[in-house]
Amino acid sequence: AQTVTQSQPEMSVQEAETVTLSCTYDTSENNYYLFWYKQPPSRQMILVIRQEAYKQQNATENRFSVNFQKAAKSFSLKISDSQLGDTAMYFCAFSSFPNSGYALNFGKGTSLLVTP
Amino acid sequence: SQTIHQWPATLVQPVGSPLSLECTVEGTSNPNLYWYRQAAGRGLQLLFYSVGIGQISSEVPQNLSASRPQDRQFILSSKKLLLSDSGFYLCAWRVKPGLHNEQFFGPGTRLTVL
Repeated sequence: AQTVTQSQPEMSVQEAETVTLSCTYDTSENNYYLFWYKQPPSRQMILVIRQEAYKQQNATENRFSVNFQKAAKSFSLKISDSQLGDTAMYFCAFSSFPNSGYALNFGKGTSLLVTP
Repeated sequence: SQTIHQWPATLVQPVGSPLSLECTVEGTSNPNLYWYRQAAGRGLQLLFYSVGIGQISSEVPQNLSASRPQDRQFILSSKKLLLSDSGFYLCAWRVKPGLHNEQFFGPGTRLTVL
């Protein structure tokens, strides 16, 4: 079974600073996808960024980027120029095909607080 | 564009009462559908998934059940709620086959069992 571990239950960062959220996972598969989802106080789950395991290049979406280390099974999220609206729970998730209909395995989340 | 709806948004039910949560997706056809539960302070746990009408797979043994009577409708039910059923229930869909494999989530239902 695949497991996803987020070792930082809570983090805090000042506005405009950079913060990195950690995620490790365990799998024996070679082909899979990794995701970071954001859950603000509204509790709507929003996709932040995705990474295909077969791609060596790290994914980037505006201020969000990942450091994907396949051998180490590590998938960290870097948020640059943090904004107050980035305050949310962040979940790392793993999906392989076609187990469980491509369902997502989630970590327990990291609560990020961006302060003025 | 695709949208996903869930209702009700909030529900308070007594122990032993029945449950029916509904999820519908618009703007796509033959999606994979999922029910997740999020307990307080925890991540999301997959409850059920469906790859087609009438096809339901259960991931966690419990007193909940799911049905997919129509292509874009997914229902979560229980005959008798337990206190432990309290939580935030999220429905999600995925394009099949999906280019990037991500899932899109509904707004969720907050269920409190008293």
